[in-house]
Amino acid sequence: GAGVSQSPRYKVAKRGQDVALRCDPISGHVSLFWYQQALGQGPEFLTYFQNEAQLDKSGLPSDRFFAERPEGSVSTLKIQRTQQEDSAVYLCASSLGGMGFGAFFGQGTRLTVV
Amino acid sequence: KNEVEQSPQNLTAQEGEFITINCSYSVGISALHWLQQHPGGGIVSLFMLSSGKKKHGRLIATINIQEKHSSLHITASHPRDSAVYICAVYGAGSYQLTFGKGTKLSVIP
Repeated sequence: GAGVSQSPRYKVAKRGQDVALRCDPISGHVSLFWYQQALGQGPEFLTYFQNEAQLDKSGLPSDRFFAERPEGSVSTLKIQRTQQEDSAVYLCASSLGGMGFGAFFGQGTRLTVV
Repeated sequence: KNEVEQSPQNLTAQEGEFITINCSYSVGISALHWLQQHPGGGIVSLFMLSSGKKKHGRLIATINIQEKHSSLHITASHPRDSAVYICAVYGAGSYQLTFGKGTKLSVIP
């Protein structure tokens, strides 16, 4: 597609429910990033893929968070047993390469855990 | 870890005013993004720069690597410029972006 596409745009989950957030990067973009943006804050790094390889997952806040990109294109961020503190906007970004290449961001998924 | 500070946090301007948003960071970088985020919307990259100055329409971005400082200027501001503007930096040799908290701009007709 023309840009980075994320779905769903909005998700309301009951505490304890599992959720899956999808990111379709720009075709041909090697690098894919997930960020978490709490209300009123700047985004915080979660994880980074280069093609299908998850090279950095140091930002994932707990083992309830899991991300995959099995074929090097679409990525899914899964959150198990959601908690209220997981409520945030989850942003996906892709770029042609790693350092020095501009990042293109998706619209984000706003997750609200009730 | 790089600390990215933006000022002001909030800015209200009259339509037509010249606007400046500032960004400073604590550690050397390879490049800096200026990003725009509308309410309920995603993030759009306005500029990526590593030196000097870039201009696109009414937007101008400058960076001073020695002073670890960048500015985003908007000339002849318009209500449609109302958004949150975020500064984000790539650390030297890093693929990770570190973000500022953003500057919320409101342009009043």
